[in-house]
Amino acid sequence: EDQVTQSPEALRLQEGESSSLNCSYTVSGLRGLFWYRQDPGKGPEFLFTLYSAGEEKEKERLKATLTKKESFLHITAPKPEDSATYLCAVEQAGTALIFGKGTTLSVSS
Amino acid sequence: DTAVSQTPKYLVTQMGNDKSIKCEQNLGHDTMYWYKQDSKKFLKIMFSYNNKELIINETVPNRFSPKSPDKAHLNLHINSLELGDSAVYFCASSQGTGKNIQYFGAGTRLSVL
Repeated sequence: EDQVTQSPEALRLQEGESSSLNCSYTVSGLRGLFWYRQDPGKGPEFLFTLYSAGEEKEKERLKATLTKKESFLHITAPKPEDSATYLCAVEQAGTALIFGKGTTLSVSS
Repeated sequence: DTAVSQTPKYLVTQMGNDKSIKCEQNLGHDTMYWYKQDSKKFLKIMFSYNNKELIINETVPNRFSPKSPDKAHLNLHINSLELGDSAVYFCASSQGTGKNIQYFGAGTRLSVL
């Protein structure tokens, strides 16, 4: 059965303290790996999609990377406004996404 | 202009009632979805429609019935509501072909008392 595991479940950082979130997956034939950000009371907001091992994407302080078994979301010099839950998902055969349980990031000033 | 909009945002009801949640997207996408997010924030697919046709139907009680009057709308009707149905329900849409980025609505928080 396809699975997506995210770690850690929660992460507390000081402003400016860089770190990484992990997403490991087991899927037969990866069609795409997606990162979303979810703020409290809102729907997931698309950040990145990665399709092949070695691919990297960047947006402001965020950088997503992909290997054959996992993806990392690197956060460089985070700010309090980066606080949110970050969700990883893999695309299943067909069109549904399988989500991990998320990493809740808190950045304090 | 909200790309994927859901109504209502909050829904509080008694056990045994029937309720509906509406979803509309103005992105011109072909595929729409319903997800359920439980109290532990775990987001799980329920249904997917492509051009008004059901293409994914996960193991969901048949009290849940999606209806797509056209490809811009996907409604969710729930019969005989149970306490365990309390959750946040998200609608999403995607182009459905090639690079399948899904865009989500703001969610409907359903509370069954």
